[in-house]
Amino acid sequence: GAGVSQSPSNKVTEKGKDVELRCDPISGHTALYWYRQSLGQGLEFLIYFQGNSAPDKSGLPSDRFSAERTGGSVSTLTIQRTQQEDSAVYLCASSFNVNAFFGQGTRLTVV
Amino acid sequence: GESVGLHLPTLSVQEGDNSIINCAYSNSASDYFIWYKQESGKGPQFIIDIRSNMDKRQGQRVTVLLNKTVKHLSLQIAATQPGDSAVYFCAEEKGGATNKLIFGTGTLLAVQP
Repeated sequence: GAGVSQSPSNKVTEKGKDVELRCDPISGHTALYWYRQSLGQGLEFLIYFQGNSAPDKSGLPSDRFSAERTGGSVSTLTIQRTQQEDSAVYLCASSFNVNAFFGQGTRLTVV
Repeated sequence: GESVGLHLPTLSVQEGDNSIINCAYSNSASDYFIWYKQESGKGPQFIIDIRSNMDKRQGQRVTVLLNKTVKHLSLQIAATQPGDSAVYFCAEEKGGATNKLIFGTGTLLAVQP
């Protein structure tokens, strides 16, 4: 497709389980962001990939969170041993120069 | 620091009135700014941008003003409509080689009929 695609759109998981969230950026976009957004709140930066540079991981809230970007394209955000406070919408965005294009997000619910 | 889990300030306006949404940015070296609109259940979408060599840029019903002296950015929406109800984020390019965008905390615009 032409836009940023995220899957799954919704994920319900049990506390303590690991989850993987996927982002397919726009083809040719060199930069990719992950954000977290709780209900009624702003965008919480998690991680930023730019080309072949080392990712900016400064926003990852704990070592349970990790992300990788394979071949400069698809990215996976992994949350290990999920907690209820991890429940949120996880947004991915990609960009070629500066302007970021967002996906629809993955709504994660930890029960 | 970067935008983290803060409850959104709300601006309530009457339909037909003009709206002004404000944003203070942090980095005096930032040279590119963008406003995004996020409707309920969707990701943010680009509205309008401005470079630091400009102080005003107009789009369709929207105007962005940049005051570099006080590091302030504003978005003006003319004749606000119910469809303008959304969360609005400003973003600044951090500068340097990374082209990384830094997002503000966001403002919820509520349009009253």
